[in-house]
Amino acid sequence: QKEVEQDPGPLSVPEGAIVSLNCTYSNSAFQYFMWYRQYSRKGPELLMYTYSSGNKEDGRFTAQVDKSSKYISLFIRDSQPSDSATYLCAMSGMDSSYKLIFGSGTRLLVRP
Amino acid sequence: NAGVTQTPKFRVLKTGQSMTLLCAQDMNHEYMYWYRQDPGMGLRLIHYSVGEGTTAKGEVPDGYNVSRLKKQNFLLGLESAAPSQTSVYFCASTTPKTGPLDTQYFGPGTRLTVL
Repeated sequence: QKEVEQDPGPLSVPEGAIVSLNCTYSNSAFQYFMWYRQYSRKGPELLMYTYSSGNKEDGRFTAQVDKSSKYISLFIRDSQPSDSATYLCAMSGMDSSYKLIFGSGTRLLVRP
Repeated sequence: NAGVTQTPKFRVLKTGQSMTLLCAQDMNHEYMYWYRQDPGMGLRLIHYSVGEGTTAKGEVPDGYNVSRLKKQNFLLGLESAAPSQTSVYFCASTTPKTGPLDTQYFGPGTRLTVL
């Protein structure tokens, strides 16, 4: 069983839709949670991060963490064609090397 | 600033050949990482370094070696390439100064095919 599970998609939605992306994890030592966005043939870039249960909002993006259920989500409001990318969740524990464990990524396509 | 750069961008090898991938960063970051990305597998950590002269194994280190002789460079070597090492390789760097949530900055990737 992988430490981090993520539905690979692809997820296809019309422009303006609300998108929900999710990851589950099994290691209760994970304390830090991130979402990276990766455009085709590019390196990942950090989108959002959080280290506590609850919600964190940044513009059209909301990151949600439920440590009791070992479940994290990323919501995208008013989705745009420019949001079409692969979204990777990533997690880290208290390890001082800051190693990240990534989910397999969900490919999102926002149709105009 | 160029950020994180990777050389080469593409490479085709025959089984048994060797090669070195170069990662360079100009952000004065202490920590550097090598990942591989395969379809359906996400990013998996190969080796990492928390400082000049130090390296450690990640999740999938077999068949790879690394060196961090200079702070700004992190080299990934394949001594005897195998078709299973066909992948996209990403280098990343970060600084520990602000804690584990400081972003890892990724390079553009190297696409390697082993025939």
